[in-house]
Amino acid sequence: AQKVTQAQTEISVVEKEDVTLDCVYETRDTTYYLFWYKQPPSGELVFLIRRNSFDEQNEISGRYSWNFQKSTSSFNFTITASQVVDSAVYFCALYSSASKIIFGSGTRLSIRP
Amino acid sequence: DVKVTQSSRYLVKRTGEKVFLECVQDMDHENMFWYRQDPGLGLRLIYFSYDVKMKEKGDIPEGYSVSREKKERFSLILESASTNQTSMYLCASSYMTGLLGNQPQHFGDGTRLSIL
Repeated sequence: AQKVTQAQTEISVVEKEDVTLDCVYETRDTTYYLFWYKQPPSGELVFLIRRNSFDEQNEISGRYSWNFQKSTSSFNFTITASQVVDSAVYFCALYSSASKIIFGSGTRLSIRP
Repeated sequence: DVKVTQSSRYLVKRTGEKVFLECVQDMDHENMFWYRQDPGLGLRLIYFSYDVKMKEKGDIPEGYSVSREKKERFSLILESASTNQTSMYLCASSYMTGLLGNQPQHFGDGTRLSIL
C-alpha cells in the first residue's frame, strides 16, 4: 500500500526556535518522488521541494533543510530559527507510477512571537 | 509566474443542485488536477487530466465528473450536490514529462464550497 504519514497534527513553537516536521512514507515502487508543500492562511499550496528516490542527498535552502533517509522511509523537514511567517500547514506528498499522488494529512505549524 | 485561477473563492449551493467549479491555468501545462481538502485527511485526488478531453479517476471520484475541452481549463462538476461534498476544493496544474505526477504542482487559492 502507498501511504504518507504526518504524525504531528499541530506544532507550536516560539519564534527563533528550530522545528522539525516529520514525514514517513510507504511504497512498493523503487522509483518515486517526494514533495513538501506549504499552505499559508491564504489557502494556496506552494511547492517547496522535490526529491526522487535515487537522490538521498540532504538539501538546504536558507533556513529550510530536508533530510531524506530511505532506510527509515522518512523525508523530514527542518526550519531553523523559525519566524512568524513560517506559520502554515505543511504537506508531505508521494508520487509513484502505482499510486498517482498521495498527500499526508498535514502538520499545522504555529510560530508564536 | 504560473497562475492557476479558480472561479470562486466561496460558494454556497443547495442539496441536489448541479455545481460547476472552474479552473484556468496560464502556463500551457498538460496536467490538471482536482482535489478536495478536509481536516485530518489532507488532500485527496478526485480527478486528473493529462490532455484535452482526457480524464482519469483519482481516489474519490464518486459523485463528481470533470470536463476538459480546452488545455487551459479544467472543470469539476458535482452532478447532484450533497451535504457530504461540503469541502475545500483545490485545482492544480503541472508539466508532463513522461510521468504524471513527478513535477511540482501549482495550485489555485481554493474554493470553499458549502452545500446546504
